[in-house]
Amino acid sequence: DAGVTQSPTHLIKTRGQQVTLRCSPKSGHDTVSWYQQALGQGPQFIFQYYEEEERQRGNFPDRFSGHQFPNYSSELNVNALLLGDSALYLCASTLGSGANVLTFGAGSRLTVL
Amino acid sequence: QKEVEQDPGPLSVPEGAIVSLNCTYSNSAFQYFMWYRQYSRKGPELLMYTYSSGNKEDGRFTAQVDKSSKYISLFIRDSQPSDSATYLCVVTRSGGANNLFFGTGTRLTVIP
Repeated sequence: DAGVTQSPTHLIKTRGQQVTLRCSPKSGHDTVSWYQQALGQGPQFIFQYYEEEERQRGNFPDRFSGHQFPNYSSELNVNALLLGDSALYLCASTLGSGANVLTFGAGSRLTVL
Repeated sequence: QKEVEQDPGPLSVPEGAIVSLNCTYSNSAFQYFMWYRQYSRKGPELLMYTYSSGNKEDGRFTAQVDKSSKYISLFIRDSQPSDSATYLCVVTRSGGANNLFFGTGTRLTVIP
């Protein structure tokens, strides 16, 4: 039973560039949430996708956007990268948008230089 | 005031020790409490899930919730080197990923 898979594992970008991160949810799950985890901090909620729509959004600027595909996989896009965007980006999946037990992927570590 | 506060550690203990990890939270409306374990370079994984006050035991792990004090704890008995990880407490009053509040995590090292 495949868990949540994320790609790429690591990537390095420069300020001002754009990045796309990808996530495949756990088999049987239909809802994907994205989190940003800075070093030494807990995960911060970015947004959640369910039925191909953004359902909830945390306190993140519009530079952060996403998409969910019919197969439930999801992308996180970040435009105009800032140094402060350097973090581990975690994807978590659930069955249903109201569940509170998350299955996390291993994350994509983004470094912005 | 943060929704949940957690001592970041780091915490180092010898193998076999009893470990106590703690969090405090601010809102008495929180009624679901979780502990996630995060190994280095991995995503968090659910370790314990409790509802309301009381204790829950799973093997060497015990989660304790004291709603009167707004205090949650995770105890690890007979700690093992494989327990070395960061432990995140999570509180919520309802479902939905947007309603989860994570602590900053406590980094634990169990020394053989």
